[in-house]
Amino acid sequence: DTAVSQTPKYLVTQMGNDKSIKCEQNLGHDTMYWYKQDSKKFLKIMFSYNNKELIINETVPNRFSPKSPDKAHLNLHINSLELGDSAVYFCASSHARSDTQYFGPGTRLTVL
Amino acid sequence: LAKTTQPISMDSYEGQEVNITCSHNNIATNDYITWYQQFPSQGPRFIIQGYKTKVTNEVASLFIPADRKSSTLSLPRVSLSDTAVYYCLVGDSNTGGFKTIFGAGTRLFVKA
Repeated sequence: DTAVSQTPKYLVTQMGNDKSIKCEQNLGHDTMYWYKQDSKKFLKIMFSYNNKELIINETVPNRFSPKSPDKAHLNLHINSLELGDSAVYFCASSHARSDTQYFGPGTRLTVL
Repeated sequence: LAKTTQPISMDSYEGQEVNITCSHNNIATNDYITWYQQFPSQGPRFIIQGYKTKVTNEVASLFIPADRKSSTLSLPRVSLSDTAVYYCLVGDSNTGGFKTIFGAGTRLFVKA
């Protein structure tokens, strides 16, 4: 009964490739997020999305784009991967207008 | 956006009570204070949330003074499994989770 799941758990790829990370939540939440946790363990929010609004952290390169086929899914697409994109990416969800978030297990992305 | 300051790390022994203090001098009237716990290779997990005075649940207690410029997470009788990073966040519950910012967190080491 995983609440927030992500696939894959590990992703190793070459520079310049395009990749996607999938996220699904079965909590009935209507807001989902993507975070990046770098090697120094800082968690930085990248996107917040519900069915009405996408909020983008202005520091996120436009190579990153969230795609939501429905309320339960928010996938992360990354184009032209760079070495600096190597990190752990966490998906999270919450009820709208709530700052109590439920996180997925993370996807460790390594760009070679 | 309110910024938080926490000790980088703390050490404790099994069975002791651990208090982690967080400073948030610029907390806004609508901001709540939320604490998350993160184990290695896992996503953060919600521990407790409060607005003022004291909140207690089965895991921890949260003490918030009247001026709300700081808060203290109290973990009673810690065990080895409480070794983790603890994040203090402040955010406006009326605007959703996007405006909550994770700081560097406090790395708690519990020793036998």
